[in-house]
Amino acid sequence: KAGVTQTPRYLIKTRGQQVTLSCSPISGHRSVSWYQQTPGQGLQFLFEYFSETQRNKGNFPGRFSGRQFSNSRSEMNVSTLELGDSALYLCASSLEGGSEKLFFGSGTQLSVL
Amino acid sequence: QKEVEQDPGPLSVPEGAIVSLNCTYSNSAFQYFMWYRQYSRKGPELLMYTYSSGNKEDGRFTAQVDKSSKYISLFIRDSQPSDSATYLCAMSAKAAGNKLTFGGGTRVLVKP
Repeated sequence: KAGVTQTPRYLIKTRGQQVTLSCSPISGHRSVSWYQQTPGQGLQFLFEYFSETQRNKGNFPGRFSGRQFSNSRSEMNVSTLELGDSALYLCASSLEGGSEKLFFGSGTQLSVL
Repeated sequence: QKEVEQDPGPLSVPEGAIVSLNCTYSNSAFQYFMWYRQYSRKGPELLMYTYSSGNKEDGRFTAQVDKSSKYISLFIRDSQPSDSATYLCAMSAKAAGNKLTFGGGTRVLVKP
């Protein structure tokens, strides 16, 4: 069974640009969550999607947004990039999203120059 | 003060030793407790998942949760060099869905 797949693996952008990251969950999983990991702040929750609806949101500015498609695949968008947005962005999936076991992908390493 | 505190290490042990890791937390609403292992440039890998207080064993790994003390532990027996990684504790409240709160991680080095 394939795990959580995230693309691209690495991204380099400049300040002010926008970026879209993609995530394919484990087959059969309907909940997708996104996390940001930085050396200073560690792993922080961005948002969770279930059945194409955002079910929960972390404490991030509105520049961070996401969506989920009918096949459970998800995308995350960051607009007007700032230097501080440089991080490893991790996608995780679970069956239904109710405090279940959460499985992570390898992440997208975003560098903002 | 962070909701979940975890010693960053590094924790260096000889091969075959028992690795002992722990986290403390302040939010009494946390009911689900997890331990993840993360290798460099990889995503976190779920090792242990427990609900409420008690012990759980899986192979070389034992997780303990003491909700009265707001303290969780992970023990790794017969440690191997391949266990060298960063170990993250995570926890969530019942109504929080997949919103996990993570500790900062402990870096572990198992020397051959």
